[in-house]
Amino acid sequence: KNQVEQSPQSLIILEGKNCTLQCNYTVSPFSNLRWYKQDTGRGPVSLTIMTFSENTKSNGRYTATLDADTKQSSLHITASQLSDSASYICVVSGGGYNKLIFGAGTRLAVHP
Amino acid sequence: DSGVTQTPKHLITATGQRVTLRCSPRSGDLSVYWYQQSLDQGLQFLIHYYNGEERAKGNILERFSAQQFPDLHSELNLSSLELGDSALYFCASSGLAGTRETQYFGPGTRLLVL
Repeated sequence: KNQVEQSPQSLIILEGKNCTLQCNYTVSPFSNLRWYKQDTGRGPVSLTIMTFSENTKSNGRYTATLDADTKQSSLHITASQLSDSASYICVVSGGGYNKLIFGAGTRLAVHP
Repeated sequence: DSGVTQTPKHLITATGQRVTLRCSPRSGDLSVYWYQQSLDQGLQFLIHYYNGEERAKGNILERFSAQQFPDLHSELNLSSLELGDSALYFCASSGLAGTRETQYFGPGTRLLVL
């Protein structure tokens, strides 16, 4: 069964600290993996997209990694800011043409 | 602002009713995707249209239908509404239909079925 699992479910960190969010998937065949940031009540915003051959992709203070062998990805946030408080969703494209399988998300709260 | 617009922002209706949600993609984008986000299930892909034609279907119920018009705007029709249909409905657009395309999400329509 095509699944995307994220951990932790929620996370609280202090402003300025780093954090890492995890994503494990069992989607096959695999096309690409995306990370989205979603503020409460708003539409998701794309952070990174990685294909099978890409190990790392950065977008400012966000760095995503992909290990296609172990089917794991992580999103590392450096020097967190209050505005990073949001849900971070891992999405895998695969299992058929352009089908997107969404993880449940990690809810991050950055406190001052 | 993603450039994707959705109307209405909020919709309250009763069970058994039918509603239509509208989405205008970013200028020049040919693909429109519809998603449902409920509290207990996260985001679910419903359907994808490219240049007026259906390209992929996800977990879309038979009571739901969608179409994309020649001007590329799209409508999602929800009929025989049930309480469980209460959710945020997002549309997203991308330039083409490829799996590597970045999808730009609209602000969503919040549907409440009473």
